Amino acid sequence: QVHLVQSGAEVKKPGASVKVSCKTSGYTFTDYYFHWVRQAPGQGLEWMGWINPNSGDTSYAQKFQGRAIMTRDTSISTVYMELNRLRPDDTAVYSCARSYDTPYSAMDVWGQGTTVTVSS
Amino acid sequence: DIQLTQSPSSLSASVGDRVTITCRAGQSISNYVNWYQQKPGKAPKVLIYGASSLQSGVPSRFSGGGSGTEFTLTINSLQPEDFATYYCQQSFIIPLTFGGGTKVEIK
Repeated sequence: QVHLVQSGAEVKKPGASVKVSCKTSGYTFTDYYFHWVRQAPGQGLEWMGWINPNSGDTSYAQKFQGRAIMTRDTSISTVYMELNRLRPDDTAVYSCARSYDTPYSAMDVWGQGTTVTVSS
Repeated sequence: DIQLTQSPSSLSASVGDRVTITCRAGQSISNYVNWYQQKPGKAPKVLIYGASSLQSGVPSRFSGGGSGTEFTLTINSLQPEDFATYYCQQSFIIPLTFGGGTKVEIK
């Protein structure tokens, strides 16, 4: 069975960094791209970027360029998303999702989401 | 960035109704549209990919159509478990973008 299991909720102060993990199981890790999508309270879905777990190549939405860093550890089939210089409006649920073979395929399996709260 | 505009933003319907949600793109995106269902506190679930292909395991009462700039998600015979928020998403070009969502509520 395919699982994407994310790390637990985080509370951070403005200016700090957060690193969210997404551990996968049940399929070949390198067959799928990974996306990070966030959802602010009561709002819609916002795509942040993707990572190719094979090469480590990444692509970010312009809004997150220079502030988000996506990495992977193939030895433990896990991807990470680090967001720096946090602001209160970064408060959101952050989710990983996979897409088969290319970043243009549908996101067919999602993690359960990680709540990140940014508050002084 | 490609803007996706969903309409309506919310609707009320009864069990058994046929519901259609529209997603309009700011430019042609061929058939690179996916539809997701999201229930409160849960992760999105893909229903339709490539504008009209039904994701494995999704009931056949869900269907998608359209190409270019206008796309639809139709739910035939709405069931109690279908009350949720629905999002379209374009996978034509980076950055990937989502529509604003359509909340389907019980009348």
